[in-house]
Amino acid sequence: QSVLTQPPSVSGAPGQRVTISCTGNSSNIGAGFDVHWYQQLPGAAPKLLIYGNNNRPSGVPDRFSGSTSGTSASLAIAGLQAEDEGDYYCQSYDSSLSVVFGGGTKLTAL
Amino acid sequence: QVQLQESGPGLVKPSQTLSLSCTVSGASISSGGYYWSWIRQHPGKGLEWIGYIYYSGSTYYNPSLKSRVTISLDTSKNQFSLKLSSLTAADTAIYYCATGDSKWFPPYFDPWGLGTLVTASS
Repeated sequence: QSVLTQPPSVSGAPGQRVTISCTGNSSNIGAGFDVHWYQQLPGAAPKLLIYGNNNRPSGVPDRFSGSTSGTSASLAIAGLQAEDEGDYYCQSYDSSLSVVFGGGTKLTAL
Repeated sequence: QVQLQESGPGLVKPSQTLSLSCTVSGASISSGGYYWSWIRQHPGKGLEWIGYIYYSGSTYYNPSLKSRVTISLDTSKNQFSLKLSSLTAADTAIYYCATGDSKWFPPYFDPWGLGTLVTASS
């Protein structure tokens, strides 16, 4: 059971906008700790997608964006492409003195 | 740019100690700026933070694993290592080493090594 809750799966047609939620509580996201997002393509290691809630590393397309509100965070992907299929994870910190990850969301392009 | 490569046995007997190393290129582990990190992923499951070490030697561990984990630096080889004791089948996972940016809290992890599968089985 992950401290940060993500939907197990989301899907969308190519070209559509999809969002992935990451729900925490007052001990993690709600306490103001930053949220980072990772993309894990099939058979590959995770790759940083968004850091510090809404910052994109160089090389990450601006189709990817992040936001936070209260005890939750969201990753939005605009103009969904087939190559975006994979697993997405949010990450933050919990006051129990631990880095925490969400359970992951499998993204499917229909 | 920083690159990381995990190495170690792929099969460890239950009750024994897992030992992995991560070789770093493109940065010195004895310089500040990074948390040298271990993260694992059970087969078909999500990510679990194991812990990290700062260049000063300060360590930070997942409370759920703390009693069994040791992370250390080997500056002569520019490597950092993971030891996980009292292994059980539940420790079977892909183990990743990663670089945590210490300018952020919590640090984000970038880049990651390719990962190495460790199976705990007799």
